[in-house]
Amino acid sequence: ETGVTQSPTHLIKTRGQQVTLRCSSQSGHNTVSWYQQALGQGPQFIFQYYREEENGRGNFPPRFSGLQFPNYSSELNVNALELDDSALYLCASSLSAGTPNTEAFFGQGTRLTVV
Amino acid sequence: GQQVMQIPQYQHVQEGEDFTTYCNSSTTLSNIQWYKQRPGGHPVFLIQLVKSGEVKKQKRLTFQFGEAKKNSSLHITATQTTDVGTYFCAGYTGGFKTIFGAGTRLFVKA
Repeated sequence: ETGVTQSPTHLIKTRGQQVTLRCSSQSGHNTVSWYQQALGQGPQFIFQYYREEENGRGNFPPRFSGLQFPNYSSELNVNALELDDSALYLCASSLSAGTPNTEAFFGQGTRLTVV
Repeated sequence: GQQVMQIPQYQHVQEGEDFTTYCNSSTTLSNIQWYKQRPGGHPVFLIQLVKSGEVKKQKRLTFQFGEAKKNSSLHITATQTTDVGTYFCAGYTGGFKTIFGAGTRLFVKA
């Protein structure tokens, strides 16, 4: 196991609602990245947090937002849910240590279904 | 925008046959990573390539990074049923943004 835990594992929400997904990074890791993975597709980068600051963002609208806490755990918030937001949301932690792209350890993901 | 294309989308092989997946980027990459995702699982890091022309081996797996740092490949020799899963390449060009390919799903028939 990677030591990266995500909660909840599964979630069903109604269109228009808001959702918060949580991630606990691996011990010692200071960087968390969030990805959206639609069925049969590769993970799509949402954003990355390093030492509580967002330092990179993919092509996702502002209704996707996040936080990183002093213990490096993180949250992904999605407002005004749409049907197309249904996907597996993956959190990946890494030790940045000044190198932008290092080995990432993924959690098991949260399967979000929007109905 | 930057794209990372991966082919083939699917590959069916008989156990013991070889398998190769290819990754091509529209822009020069700083480095490339490879991940494996088992059905119902999460991506697991396999390797990172950084240098132009780099070749790395892990037992039956051989990874290559092109001279122009725009393409990469993963070759598996003598596939086994445990190799089943989806293999993703993930390219990085800077700006703290990693781009994943769509993956190649490998099916191995015993």
